[in-house]
Amino acid sequence: GAVVSQHPSRVICKSGTSVKIECRSLDFQATTMFWYRQFPKQSLMLMATSNEGSKATYEQGVEKDKFLINHASLTLSTLTVTSAHPEDSSFYICSASGGPGETQYFGPGTRLLVL
Amino acid sequence: SQQGEEDPQALSIQEGENATMNCSYKTSINNLQWYRQNSGRGLVHLILIRSNEREKHSGRLRVTLDTSKKSSSLLITASRAADTASYFCATAFNQAGTALIFGKGTTLSVSS
Repeated sequence: GAVVSQHPSRVICKSGTSVKIECRSLDFQATTMFWYRQFPKQSLMLMATSNEGSKATYEQGVEKDKFLINHASLTLSTLTVTSAHPEDSSFYICSASGGPGETQYFGPGTRLLVL
Repeated sequence: SQQGEEDPQALSIQEGENATMNCSYKTSINNLQWYRQNSGRGLVHLILIRSNEREKHSGRLRVTLDTSKKSSSLLITASRAADTASYFCATAFNQAGTALIFGKGTTLSVSS
C-alpha cells in the first residue's frame, strides 16, 4: 500500500511554544490530506481537511488560528500547533488519499507532550 | 462527531478462535473501511468495502456490509496473539475525498 510519513514521531515542548508536524505522502500525490487528533483510549477525531493550494477546512470546535495548516505541495501538509498548552498534548495523525473515494493511508502519528 | 459505534468495546479470546466485531453507522455512506491500531501507533488499513458490495475477504479477514441496517462486521479467523490491537471502522460519506469518520473502536486481546 501507499506510504505516508510523519515527522517528528514524538515531540516534547514547553507551554507557549509552537510545534510543526509534517505529513508526507511518499509514493503518491495527495490533493487532500486530513489531520486527526486522538486522546488516550479514544477514537480519532477529525480536525481539518487540508487541500493543496487552498485553505484548510476546519471541523467545528477546532481553532484555525491555533492549528495552522499548510498544504504547499501534492506530497506535503504541515500542521503547526501555535502557543501550545498542556491540553494540546495528544496523538496527531494525518492521512492522505490518492483520489476521491479511495483508501486513506495514515501516517504513523506524532505524539505531542506540552509541559 | 462520531458516526460509527463498534460492538463490543472490548473482546478477549484465545489464539485460534475467531473474533467478530460489529460496526453501526448513522447516515448513508460511499464506503466503509476497517483499520487496526496497535497501542500508541498509527493506523493500518485492513479493508475497504464499498456501499454496493456486501462482502469482502482479505486473508483471514472477512468484512460484511448491510446498508439496509447500516452495519458492518469484521471477522478475524484463526486469531493470533499478534492480532491484539484496537480495531476501528470508518465511514466516508461521498466520493469527493471526504474525511473518514471513525467509530469508537473495539479493543481485541488475543492470548496464547
